[in-house]
Amino acid sequence: DVKVTQSSRYLVKRTGEKVFLECVQDMDHENMFWYRQDPGLGLRLIYFSYDVKMKEKGDIPEGYSVSREKKERFSLILESASTNQTSMYLCASSFGSVNYEQYFGPGTRLTVT
Amino acid sequence: DQQVKQNSPSLSVQEGRISILNCDYTNSMFDYFLWYKKYPAEGPTFLISISSIKDKNEDGRFTVFLNKSAKHLSLHIVPSQPGDSAVYFCAVRFQGGSEKLVFGKGTKLTVNP
Repeated sequence: DVKVTQSSRYLVKRTGEKVFLECVQDMDHENMFWYRQDPGLGLRLIYFSYDVKMKEKGDIPEGYSVSREKKERFSLILESASTNQTSMYLCASSFGSVNYEQYFGPGTRLTVT
Repeated sequence: DQQVKQNSPSLSVQEGRISILNCDYTNSMFDYFLWYKKYPAEGPTFLISISSIKDKNEDGRFTVFLNKSAKHLSLHIVPSQPGDSAVYFCAVRFQGGSEKLVFGKGTKLTVNP
């Protein structure tokens, strides 16, 4: 079974803090993704990575950066957290070019106060 | 502009009856279509998919239909069970593009006992 794990299920941070969200997958997948899910807005892609050290912006990259130093790990960084970044953050991975299925982690509920 | 639309935010059906979830897309260059199910406080899980070269794919109680001329995708669940109550997202992949998926906003299905 593919396993995607996220470092925290719940996180509370203050405005202006630097926040790190970690994601690890154990299936040697090439691609990894960060989404945020908000009520009424569905899943929106923040960034994705198709290889180590390679990244591409998604639909809403502003205020976020990412890091992928190892194949299995993909980090999302909020440089200076703001209240409008309060959301559910979901990490996913995929093998690529097979059936495009993405496997999701359990999510991190981030609250910025 | 939304490329993938799930026009019904919610749907309620009786146990044992059919659930039909709908998804419309705007770009004929999408070539792969997926459905995900999401329970509260969990990540989405893959349900079923279909390639643009097919018009139907079946997996147990779940059937996905693709109408390319109408740019319409539907998921049928027969018979519906209370455990099917969840938010359902459709997702599409752009032909020749990267591994990115574009998600709809989701439909919340409630199956009443």
